Amino acid sequence: DGGITQSPKYLFRKEGQNVTLSCEQNLNHDAMYWYRQDPGQGLRLIYYSQIVNDFQKGDIAEGYSVSREKKESFPLTVTSAQKNPTAFYLCASSIDGSENTEAFFGQGTRLTVV
Amino acid sequence: AQKVTQAQTEISVVEKEDVTLDCVYETRDTTYYLFWYKQPPSGELVFLIRRNSFDEQNEISGRYSWNFQKSTSSFNFTITASQVVDSAVYFCALSEAEYGGSQGNLIFGKGTKLSVKP
Repeated sequence: DGGITQSPKYLFRKEGQNVTLSCEQNLNHDAMYWYRQDPGQGLRLIYYSQIVNDFQKGDIAEGYSVSREKKESFPLTVTSAQKNPTAFYLCASSIDGSENTEAFFGQGTRLTVV
Repeated sequence: AQKVTQAQTEISVVEKEDVTLDCVYETRDTTYYLFWYKQPPSGELVFLIRRNSFDEQNEISGRYSWNFQKSTSSFNFTITASQVVDSAVYFCALSEAEYGGSQGNLIFGKGTKLSVKP
């Protein structure tokens, strides 16, 4: 089955720790995205990548880092510099990142800082 | 600045009622795309429809219909004869062809939570 797999589904982190969220796609899509969702808020873009070995900051990149070493993988690291990391994180991909293509989403990772 | 507004935070209806979800957008581009996504309790967003700025024809897909009006910058979504399975959060989103470095990136509204009661 083609799709986007995010893991883990739930993640707990102690304050001051870095944590990495996994996102893998087997759709052969060039573009991948990370969004953050907070209760009552829309999705806000953290980082995006339109091609391997290249990525750009989104609207709320501070405290996050990414890599894109393989086409199918786009992991997100939430660093200790992120002031309020508790949120629902969604990974997405699209064929080529152009404005007229729909994005496909994973099932999300819910991160809780304890 | 580009923006998407979904003024209805939550809507509750009884099964078989019709319901319309409102979406108003702002953009400086002449070429843009509008989307609707559904987020069921499982969490992932499911694509429903895409509409480009040059096509103002309304669209119907089963019980779903969309009304795009450039004159009022609106892209409203109507569910006819709602069902319990329609309960979800619905997001309207905008993608611009010309804006800066964020081509292809979606600008989301805050979503409308629809509850359909039996």
